[in-house]
Amino acid sequence: SQQGEEDPQALSIQEGENATMNCSYKTSINNLQWYRQNSGRGLVHLILIRSNEREKHSGRLRVTLDTSKKSSSLLITASRAADTASYFCATLFGNEKLTFGTGTRLTIIP
Amino acid sequence: NAGVTQTPKFQVLKTGQSMTLQCAQDMNHNSMYWYRQDPGMGLRLIYYSASEGTTDKGEVPNGYNVSRLNKREFSLRLESAAPSQTSVYFCASKPSWSTDTQYFGPGTRLTVL
Repeated sequence: SQQGEEDPQALSIQEGENATMNCSYKTSINNLQWYRQNSGRGLVHLILIRSNEREKHSGRLRVTLDTSKKSSSLLITASRAADTASYFCATLFGNEKLTFGTGTRLTIIP
Repeated sequence: NAGVTQTPKFQVLKTGQSMTLQCAQDMNHNSMYWYRQDPGMGLRLIYYSASEGTTDKGEVPNGYNVSRLNKREFSLRLESAAPSQTSVYFCASKPSWSTDTQYFGPGTRLTVL
């Protein structure tokens, strides 16, 4: 069964606005990762946050993690048309198996 | 470096036919994975190989077999394809020293009629 559930399932915003998507998961984790998937392509790793971290930044990306609520959020600031993609959270417990959520489809309107 | 490559890109099978999906990586990674992606769902792990010579079941292994041919190559075989196996299949790899990033191939779109 899916470990993570993203919310919302789909999001459309104007270029330049900020986009926020959320992920909830069910069990304890070692880390939580966010991946991007452009239409018809493989997944690309964006950012990882470890279970003992609360916030992490990478360029225009900001990820938060609340282990007490078993939830994470991904914020993309100053969105661009090229950010149009599906975004997946993935949780790691143990050393090998990533469990992916169902994804948020983000559309940036020029 | 080509990264993770998958062949074929597209395939149409009839129910009951067999085929092998090929995956290769040139990054000297120890771990390799096969996932399937269905509409409205995230990726689900079929099988993985933590190192050459070892394979383990993931979440949805039924109907599939795998072979870790060498450190570079990890193949996925459908012995008797079923319509329920219509999906997009992704291969990924990861260095064993890292619990971080998995590197994904471009995918194989498989349709079983």
